[in-house]
Amino acid sequence: DTEVTQTPKHLVMGMTNKKSLKCEQHMGHRAMYWYKQKAKKPPELMFVYSYEKLSINESVPSRFSPECPNSSLLNLHLHALQPEDSALYLCASSQGWGSYNEQFFGPGTRLTVL
Amino acid sequence: GENVGLHLPTLSVQEGDNSIINCAYSNSASDYFIWYKQESGKGPQFIIDIRSNMDKRQGQRVTVLLNKTVKHLSLQIAATQPGDSAVYFCAENPFTGNQFYFGTGTSLTVIP
Repeated sequence: DTEVTQTPKHLVMGMTNKKSLKCEQHMGHRAMYWYKQKAKKPPELMFVYSYEKLSINESVPSRFSPECPNSSLLNLHLHALQPEDSALYLCASSQGWGSYNEQFFGPGTRLTVL
Repeated sequence: GENVGLHLPTLSVQEGDNSIINCAYSNSASDYFIWYKQESGKGPQFIIDIRSNMDKRQGQRVTVLLNKTVKHLSLQIAATQPGDSAVYFCAENPFTGNQFYFGTGTSLTVIP
């Protein structure tokens, strides 16, 4: 299995809802990432997990809460989001956290906040 | 984030022609670069990478050139096909970790 899967593909939520995005990989990768991508913009790094520990939080608001239950799974819990949080949320993984590690991306979850 | 920019936001080429997509980066400490292709509705897909100790790397129909003197990266696609139509991003890694900064992207349209 050489892919990163993300569920759901699409998600519509209200500002008072709580939802979660899920990412899974079975390549034995030990680093996993969340990116946010607005329309016609490049992906922006949000969080990095290395060996199931949070390594980087790029000053992301607390209404986004990441979780890495095991080395294959990465979740992003969403609560009290704003309409400007509507975007494509991409998950990626790499074999390790060191340099020269190619990142493999999932197809993304298209999130709309009403 | 780092200033990784592209010279041209859009590029149209005839099918069969060669395409060149350019990228300027600002951090001279960056030592690893990746080109990604992103088709509509999909996540970025790895095309080719290059380390700073190289100035050229070739793949299947693609070549990446790195000019560290002027901090410039380019992606050349030979015999461009309609399936090459997508947005292309360069990404640089200026740190010892695996943290990438993406450029603004170039939208490539191949005209049949």
